[in-house]
Amino acid sequence: GAGVSQSPSNKVTEKGKDVELRCDPISGHTALYWYRQSLGQGLEFLIYFQGNSAPDKSGLPSDRFSAERTGGSVSTLTIQRTQQEDSAVYLCASSLAGGDEQYFGPGTRLTVT
Amino acid sequence: AQSVSQHNHHVILSEAASLELGCNYSYGGTVNLFWYVQYPGQHLQLLLKYFSGDPLVKGIKGFEAEFIKSKFSFNLRKPSVQWSDTAEYFCAVSGGSYIPTFGRGTSLIVHP
Repeated sequence: GAGVSQSPSNKVTEKGKDVELRCDPISGHTALYWYRQSLGQGLEFLIYFQGNSAPDKSGLPSDRFSAERTGGSVSTLTIQRTQQEDSAVYLCASSLAGGDEQYFGPGTRLTVT
Repeated sequence: AQSVSQHNHHVILSEAASLELGCNYSYGGTVNLFWYVQYPGQHLQLLLKYFSGDPLVKGIKGFEAEFIKSKFSFNLRKPSVQWSDTAEYFCAVSGGSYIPTFGRGTSLIVHP
């Protein structure tokens, strides 16, 4: 069946611009996670959505980062006024429920010039 | 707060060698444990998981991991690696929340 999809696969943007990254989770999965992966680093948790509950935003590194999940399905991660240190691969994952095994998307590679 | 430590950042082996990747976590309560693998150019995918029951867990492609509660460890093993096992391996733990914490990953290179 269809897995988790993310778009765009690559994004190059100038410092100071806003970017939007999209995630389509597996249908029926109630939990959705955003992570950031930098070279040589592990996965840095950003935000977690569970059903219709308020998201856990404890991992967002600054107020330039925000995310929403519409209708319990598609999610968008927005980074405002991008900085060079925002360059990384942004991964989305979904799971049937919180704490279950996660299914990851291919990621969006963001490069801020 | 929970944390995960993967001791080996880079491992280089020859085919048929045995593999053991260390993973230790810190959390005092009940945990769910995972190993994920990322093959070159591919998505992260689940290798195996432990929620409860038999502490020796078998996963895909001949991998297994043993949960040792007293040592807070969940080491990954494979008796004989293949060139196709070249990948990045991540240990993850979730305990007390539904947000897993990932280790920094271990890069495994297997020479044919």
